[in-house]
Amino acid sequence: AQKVTQAQTEISVVEKEDVTLDCVYETRDTTYYLFWYKQPPSGELVFLIRRNSFDEQNEISGRYSWNFQKSTSSFNFTITASQVVDSAVYFCALRGGADGLTFGKGTHLIIQP
Amino acid sequence: GAGVSQSPRYKVAKRGQDVALRCDPISGHVSLFWYQQALGQGPEFLTYFQNEAQLDKSGLPSDRFFAERPEGSVSTLKIQRTQQEDSAVYLCASSLALGGSYTDTQYFGPGTRLTVL
Repeated sequence: AQKVTQAQTEISVVEKEDVTLDCVYETRDTTYYLFWYKQPPSGELVFLIRRNSFDEQNEISGRYSWNFQKSTSSFNFTITASQVVDSAVYFCALRGGADGLTFGKGTHLIIQP
Repeated sequence: GAGVSQSPRYKVAKRGQDVALRCDPISGHVSLFWYQQALGQGPEFLTYFQNEAQLDKSGLPSDRFFAERPEGSVSTLKIQRTQQEDSAVYLCASSLALGGSYTDTQYFGPGTRLTVL
């Protein structure tokens, strides 16, 4: 069985602070993909990044960066110099042998001006 | 280009009514997925189509839930004799690659919020 755990239910920071969202996963599959999605108040899930299980290289995209560590089954997401527009619910998801994505419960990120 | 669209965006049903939720995937996308998202939770997988074939319906919570994609494009999720516990947001996603490929990214629609009174 697959499982994704996002232990942080809600995080609140002041604008311009850095913030890290944690994601820990469980799977028996040797090949799998990890994803991060953003869900703003409008409700639509917005794709942010996809990572395969064989590529542990960290990735940076503008203010966003991702740290994938297979040894600890973690795929953490950091926002540098946060902005109010970053406020949303962020989901980590896993796709292994099953057809659908397995999502965590999400982290509600609040950026205060 | 156009993304995944869903209709209606909001649906209120009385307990016991049947409802039909529509999904228009991104043009050319082979795979289509339905998810159910309860309030404050992450989406949960319901079912998956590759073209018109329903390859996985393991997530459908009961036999009151039925999904179809007869021409391999538009899909309809039907819920019969709705119950209060069916209240949730129903999300549709599509992806370009054939099923079984781990590489395809799923792109989501805005969802249909179903409220059963």
